[in-house]
Amino acid sequence: QAVATQEPSLTVSPGGTVTLTCAASTGDVTSGHYPYWFQQKPGQAPRTLIYDTSNKHSWTPARFSGSLLGGKAALTLSGAQPEDEGDYYCLLSYTGAREFGGGTKLTVL
Amino acid sequence: QVQLQQSGPGLVKPSETLSLTCTVSGGSISSYFWSWIRQPPGKGLEWIGYIYNGERTFYNSSLKSRVTISVDTSRNQFSLKLSSLTAADTAVYYCAWQSPRGGYWGQGTLVTVSS
Repeated sequence: QAVATQEPSLTVSPGGTVTLTCAASTGDVTSGHYPYWFQQKPGQAPRTLIYDTSNKHSWTPARFSGSLLGGKAALTLSGAQPEDEGDYYCLLSYTGAREFGGGTKLTVL
Repeated sequence: QVQLQQSGPGLVKPSETLSLTCTVSGGSISSYFWSWIRQPPGKGLEWIGYIYNGERTFYNSSLKSRVTISVDTSRNQFSLKLSSLTAADTAVYYCAWQSPRGGYWGQGTLVTVSS
């Protein structure tokens, strides 16, 4: 099973802005892939931050936003906080399959 | 509020079959995508498969021969069976719902395959 490509690790300064991306194994990411973004902290289950490219859950901090950027799905964090450290995964949907990204370890430092 | 509550054993012997159940509240088990996902220790997420609208199933091609996902609408539950277990199947297993209302996850179950 293919794996979508994410940056293995990124570092952002407190208050800074960072963009995580997710590239499909099959070509450009489109809204038809219904991209999801998940945040996972050590010892916890993932939680959904963004679904269907740019929709937020009620618990998603306003500083997170989702978009399509240059043929990839993108998660932008504006105004990073220490509690944003963790692992971030994307998910792309295909008919009959799902493809997770390999994950990005985000450090706020 | 959608909630997914997982149940099942944490220790299974090699060659045996893993059975996990996810009980759903606040969402219809007959609607949209109900998935099983796993995460080996220290590694990323792996999609196992899903059942769509309570009927159609799709599985990861690498696990297809060993996986069965089913639904019990009377109990609002869906289940995972994974057969012929080896140590490589040791992982945290999650159930999840993907719908126009967003994505919801169970709490996870650490399954260790060991004799």
